[in-house]
Amino acid sequence: DIQMTQSPSTLSASVGDRVTITCRASQSISSWLAWYQQKPGKAPKLLIYKASSLESGVPSRFSGSGSGTEFTLTISSLQPDDFATYYCQQYNSYPWAFGQGTKVEIK
Amino acid sequence: EVQLVESGGGLVKPGGSLRLSCAASGFTFSSYSMNWVRQAPGKGLEWVSSISSSSSYIYYADSVKGRFTISRDNAKNSLYLQMNSLRAEDTAVYYCARESNITPGDYWGQGTLVTVSS
Repeated sequence: DIQMTQSPSTLSASVGDRVTITCRASQSISSWLAWYQQKPGKAPKLLIYKASSLESGVPSRFSGSGSGTEFTLTISSLQPDDFATYYCQQYNSYPWAFGQGTKVEIK
Repeated sequence: EVQLVESGGGLVKPGGSLRLSCAASGFTFSSYSMNWVRQAPGKGLEWVSSISSSSSYIYYADSVKGRFTISRDNAKNSLYLQMNSLRAEDTAVYYCARESNITPGDYWGQGTLVTVSS
């Protein structure tokens, strides 16, 4: 089974900061990686699919990159609405797997 | 507008059973694979099960294999998760999510809480 490891687990940042979250797969998943944003009490929201494709309606300050085993989610200028928990997910092969999450907190 | 609405959650004793439903609207349900994902209180997301559009392909996480059964009724635009032999560690919010050919979950329901406790 493929394991997904996110880092860091928690990130403290200020409005306007550039933020980068890393996700590593235990084996190659090509570009079959998605990123989600989740706020407390809410369902996850898809941000990025196929590693770097921006979901419709998602602000362009979000971007994804990587392939194979190493991936990044970047928020170019952190906004107040972006404080949330972020998850990566591999969908290259079953069983699908999520990273453990990265909580982005206000510094 | 795409909508997914889960129901059927509640409190059940260990060893008991529960059937979750997910009612879909706003899209051609029979054309999409569907998934269940759960989240234990204060924890991360865990993929549970997937079913293809015609039910030809079904997959489960090892943690639920042999206890949970995913199914769908395309005539009723509904997805189901039959959960048997429930354990305390199955306590979670259960989400249904639509899968497209390039995204694993572009639309999600609001979730339904399952609590397994004596």
